[in-house]
Amino acid sequence: GEDVEQSLFLSVREGDSSVINCTYTDSSSTYLYWYKQEPGAGLQLLTYIFSNMDMKQDQRLTVLLNKKDKHLSLRIADTQTGDSAIYFCAESIRGGGNKLTFGTGTQLKVEL
Amino acid sequence: NAGVTQTPKFQVLKTGQSMTLQCAQDMNHEYMSWYRQDPGMGLRLIHYSVGAGITDQGEVPNGYNVSRSTTEDFPLRLLSAAPSQTSVYFCASRTGGQETQYFGPGTRLLVL
Repeated sequence: GEDVEQSLFLSVREGDSSVINCTYTDSSSTYLYWYKQEPGAGLQLLTYIFSNMDMKQDQRLTVLLNKKDKHLSLRIADTQTGDSAIYFCAESIRGGGNKLTFGTGTQLKVEL
Repeated sequence: NAGVTQTPKFQVLKTGQSMTLQCAQDMNHEYMSWYRQDPGMGLRLIHYSVGAGITDQGEVPNGYNVSRSTTEDFPLRLLSAAPSQTSVYFCASRTGGQETQYFGPGTRLLVL
């Protein structure tokens, strides 16, 4: 079955690194995604990783994937106040068309 | 391009009323989806479409109907609104060759 879990809340100081974690249960996942949602807005795709990769880096963002443990993480380097938002991980499954299964979201608060 | 647009932005209904949430995209995307977002539950897929004339059920389809008569439009119909359908509804689209899914700004629905 499909189940994606995240911790609900993370607080960091500006300039520190943030690490947001996600676990999933479906081993047939093909792509894993990180989305950002700012207050009152829709979801914005930040990055994604194919399931046969271990790591993907994109500027301040680093995604790590541990397929054995079904664990996905998003590291934001030099976290800024503009990074305050809700972050969702999501998975898609081979042959699933447009289906994404989302986690519950992690609220990131960046303090000065 | 306007991207993915949704109307209305906000709607209040009484129990038993019907309404249609509109979604349109001008990117010629084949795939379109409807999600609902509830506190603590992430986004859940209601219905999706892989092309004009083709629709299928997602995780929580009960109480909702969809149709896809054109590539651009994917309306979501509530035939008899219930308080349990109070939520924020997001429409999304993507093209078959890419993983980026574009989300609309959302419709906030309150059913009294």
